[in-house]
Amino acid sequence: QKEVEQDPGPLSVPEGAIVSLNCTYSNSAFQYFMWYRQYSRKGPELLMYTYSSGNKEDGRFTAQVDKSSKYISLFIRDSQPSDSATYLCAPEGYSSASKIIFGSGTRLSIRP
Amino acid sequence: SQTIHQWPATLVQPVGSPLSLECTVEGTSNPNLYWYRQAAGRGLQLLFYSVGIGQISSEVPQNLSASRPQDRQFILSSKKLLLSDSGFYLCAWGPGAPAYEQYFGPGTRLTVT
Repeated sequence: QKEVEQDPGPLSVPEGAIVSLNCTYSNSAFQYFMWYRQYSRKGPELLMYTYSSGNKEDGRFTAQVDKSSKYISLFIRDSQPSDSATYLCAPEGYSSASKIIFGSGTRLSIRP
Repeated sequence: SQTIHQWPATLVQPVGSPLSLECTVEGTSNPNLYWYRQAAGRGLQLLFYSVGIGQISSEVPQNLSASRPQDRQFILSSKKLLLSDSGFYLCAWGPGAPAYEQYFGPGTRLTVT
């Protein structure tokens, strides 16, 4: 079983739609959960960062973690064409070196 | 603010040639440093990480090596490139425990021919 599973997509939605991106993970010791956004041919950029279970909102983006089911979600409201990118979920792996375990990413396309 | 630099941006190298990719970080001290490789359409594979000068940990056995000669400099090397070494190489830095986030450089696209 992979440590992090993510639907690769591609996912195509019309502008203004609500987008739901999801990941599952296997290691119950994960405490920190990150979402990265990666535009084509660029390095990933940190989008959101949450600790333990619960929700965190930042503008149009909401990150949700359910540790009981090992399920991570990212919701994008009022999606824009500029949100078209690959989204990678990234639970934190192992303490001292802060090794993040990255999902393979979901490619999202927002149609104008 | 912190800035991370990587060069070159693109590189085309023949099989069997050496490789040296450099990464430097500005605006922070004693960062954790990481090298990743991303094959086309794939996720990020951690290659090496370093929590201090001269401290390198390897995640995947391969013909690559890494060095950290200075606090904010991380170098990825190979003596002889293989076709399978082609990919997008990303350097990242992180503040270290208890913070776990990582921040990525612009990447180097390597094509081995």
